[in-house]
Amino acid sequence: AQKITQTQPGMFVQEKEAVTLDCTYDTSDPSYGLFWYKQPSSGEMIFLIYQGSYDQQNATEGRYSLNFQKARKSANLVISASQLGDSAMYFCAMRGISGNNDMRFGAGTRLTVKP
Amino acid sequence: EAQVTQNPRYLITVTGKKLTVTCSQNMNHEYMSWYRQDPGLGLRQIYYSMNVEVTDKGDVPEGYKVSRKEKRNFPLILESPSPNQTSLYFCASSSSATAILAKNIQYFGAGTRLSVL
Repeated sequence: AQKITQTQPGMFVQEKEAVTLDCTYDTSDPSYGLFWYKQPSSGEMIFLIYQGSYDQQNATEGRYSLNFQKARKSANLVISASQLGDSAMYFCAMRGISGNNDMRFGAGTRLTVKP
Repeated sequence: EAQVTQNPRYLITVTGKKLTVTCSQNMNHEYMSWYRQDPGLGLRQIYYSMNVEVTDKGDVPEGYKVSRKEKRNFPLILESPSPNQTSLYFCASSSSATAILAKNIQYFGAGTRLSVL
């Protein structure tokens, strides 16, 4: 069974600083994808970044980067130069190739950016 | 604009009164799914559909029904809602159920906040 664990219910960061949101996963699938979504207070789910299990390089998208350590089964999200608008819930998710190919989500981390 | 559209956004109902939450996508995606979001639990899959007329249960299907008669639409039906179905619901779609090496991103609707009294 696939499982995603986010151990930080809440995080605080000072504006303009970098922050790392932790995500570990467990799967027996040989191939899988890892995703991060942002959920602002308005409620929508916004896709941020994707990492494939066979990708050689860590994914980056603007101020977002994914610190992928396959042997440790971790896929931490790094947000550089935090902005007030980054305050939101962040969900780590994984999609494998077995079963119904569903996307499994962690419980989320609430990030608050302080001015 | 590529999007997943859910309606209604907010709904308050009473126990036992049948309701339907609609979901439509304009991206010609094969895969569609419904999730519910509850505090501390993240998103849990209710039902999914690999393609037209192909649906199956997710992790928490009890009390829900779905149908996939057309590729673009995937309504969620609560035949007899109960208070424990009070939640935030999301519909999502993606381009392919098995193209795992590609960016198989799921795109989400804006969410439906349901309260069952």
